[in-house]
Amino acid sequence: AQSVTQLGSHVSVSEGALVLLRCNYSSSVPPYLFWYVQYPNQGLQLLLKYTSAATLVKGINGFEAEFKKSETSFHLTKPSAHMSDAAEYFCAVSLTGGGNKLTFGTGTQLKVEL
Amino acid sequence: DAGVIQSPRHEVTEMGQEVTLRCKPISGHDYLFWYRQTMMRGLELLIYFNNNVPIDDSGMPEDRFSAKMPNASFSTLKIQPSEPRDSAVYFCASSPSRTRTRQNEQFFGPGTRLTVL
Repeated sequence: AQSVTQLGSHVSVSEGALVLLRCNYSSSVPPYLFWYVQYPNQGLQLLLKYTSAATLVKGINGFEAEFKKSETSFHLTKPSAHMSDAAEYFCAVSLTGGGNKLTFGTGTQLKVEL
Repeated sequence: DAGVIQSPRHEVTEMGQEVTLRCKPISGHDYLFWYRQTMMRGLELLIYFNNNVPIDDSGMPEDRFSAKMPNASFSTLKIQPSEPRDSAVYFCASSPSRTRTRQNEQFFGPGTRLTVL
């Protein structure tokens, strides 16, 4: 069975500072990994995904994530936070041969302060 | 593409009443998922379908919950009778099969906010 762990349910950064949201996964087979973002009162929106191609994945709104097999991690970063980045972020894992089911982490609420 | 469509967007009902939530997936997607999101439990997968057939309903809380997918363009999630603890945001998501480029991506609807008084 696969799972993801998101460290830190709340992260606060200053506008312009680096954003780092942590995600570690557990999977018995090569996984697909995803980051989703949820703005208030909206559904989840895909930010980026890793599907065994390049280990550094670039997504929308300046976010990127790096797949590190040795660390079983897929941390999300953005060099400079913007107020509009305030949202909840979910990491998710899917098995390459397991249909389209995603297992989501518990989410990290990102707060951006002036 | 219109995206995943859910109705109603908000539902307020009284305990004991039947509630039906509706979802129209993106055309051509053959997976459909129902999730529930609460502050206490986070995002929970309730059930998912592949080609209109339920594949895994292990997340359905109890017999009061039922889901159907009579055709490729429509699904319902029904709660009968509803209870205050069912208050949550219910999301529907759809996904194309692995033969397409968007492997395993799920596209979420805007959700239905259910309040049971």
